Amino acid sequence: AQSVTQPDIHITVSEGASLELRCNYSYGATPYLFWYVQSPDQGHPLLLKYFSGDTLVQGIKGFEAEFKRSQSSFNLRKPSVHWSDAAEYFCAVVDPIGGYQKVTFGIGTKLQVIP
Amino acid sequence: GAGVSQSPRYKVAKRGQDVALRCDPISGHVSLFWYQQALGQGPEFLTYFQNEAQLDKSGLPSDRFFAERPEGSVSTLKIQRTQQEDSAVYLCASSHGLAGGGGTGELFFGEGSRLTVL
Repeated sequence: AQSVTQPDIHITVSEGASLELRCNYSYGATPYLFWYVQSPDQGHPLLLKYFSGDTLVQGIKGFEAEFKRSQSSFNLRKPSVHWSDAAEYFCAVVDPIGGYQKVTFGIGTKLQVIP
Repeated sequence: GAGVSQSPRYKVAKRGQDVALRCDPISGHVSLFWYQQALGQGPEFLTYFQNEAQLDKSGLPSDRFFAERPEGSVSTLKIQRTQQEDSAVYLCASSHGLAGGGGTGELFFGEGSRLTVL
């Protein structure tokens, strides 16, 4: 069964610093990959997604993620963090083969931004 | 509607009480999912509907949990004889295609229903 690992439960960065949130997946082939953000006032909007093609994908709010097949990773990055980025971030994977596409989520990484 | 709507947003129940949580998905979305998110955890799959058909209920933790989507739009998650371990946020998500987002799996989430069982 597919699984997602987010090794960092909590990360603190200074505003303006760069950010990388790690995500590793376990799946036999290349799944569809997603990053969702969860905050009290924003629900769970999708930041970005990867299906195929260019392994570097751009998302909203200046986020990007890079798919690395050799490492089974899909790390989320942002060059300069803003205070409004403080939230919880979930990596998710979908098995593209099968009758329907059940989304499996990681445990989440909570991002704290300090001035 | 414009987005996925869930109600109630907050529910406090006494242990043993039955609760019903409602989800109104985005109009026209075929797929509907329920997830349970315990404190400090990621969302855990509960069940999946394709229109009115419940195709997967493998994530329902016990037979006290029941979900329905009788007309292929609004869905209700019912929990009977609630227990303290049922305390969690229950998330509903919908997607466009048979498998989500035109086949891409992208989900559109509601804001969740936070259940607290005392």
